[in-house]
Amino acid sequence: ETGVTQSPTHLIKTRGQQVTLRCSSQSGHNTVSWYQQALGQGPQFIFQYYREEENGRGNFPPRFSGLQFPNYSSELNVNALELDDSALYLCASSLTGTRGGYTFGSGTRLTVV
Amino acid sequence: EDQVTQSPEALRLQEGESSSLNCSYTVSGLRGLFWYRQDPGKGPEFLFTLYSAGEEKEKERLKATLTKKESFLHITAPKPEDSATYLCAAFYQTGANNLFFGTGTRLTVIP
Repeated sequence: ETGVTQSPTHLIKTRGQQVTLRCSSQSGHNTVSWYQQALGQGPQFIFQYYREEENGRGNFPPRFSGLQFPNYSSELNVNALELDDSALYLCASSLTGTRGGYTFGSGTRLTVV
Repeated sequence: EDQVTQSPEALRLQEGESSSLNCSYTVSGLRGLFWYRQDPGKGPEFLFTLYSAGEEKEKERLKATLTKKESFLHITAPKPEDSATYLCAAFYQTGANNLFFGTGTRLTVIP
């Protein structure tokens, strides 16, 4: 059974640029959630995808967008990067209908300069 | 607004010195409480899920307990390799935004 894999592991971007982060969900999981974790903080919910549709969204602006593919993998896109977007971005997969059971990837460390 | 609060923010223990971490929540419709361990620069690693008050789960030197409004993670005779940030998260039943994290307790175990 494979876990959740994220790529890339580290990324440095310039303010105003766009970035795409990728996530492969755990085998058997059909739901992907994305979280942003600033240094010293707990993860904050960005959005969740189920059956290739956005299933819910946290308090993040529209320049944060995503996709889910038929194989349940997912992308997080961030446009017009700001310095405050520097954080660890975490992907978590789960199986809808179960109580929790989120499996997290190791994250992508994004630095915006 | 639903909140999950962890205390203390940081904890330094001597190897072998037992202690407890606290997680209190004000989440209505709670369906479960999760504990995760997170090493620096890594994603959270699942430890326990607790579903009902009075429930306890154990794994090696860790034991998690749940009451109606808080959870405790007890660490017995910790070792340096237990040093990490411990996160709790409350899972509730409505909506997709259903996992609320605390800010974590950063544990350092000194040899």
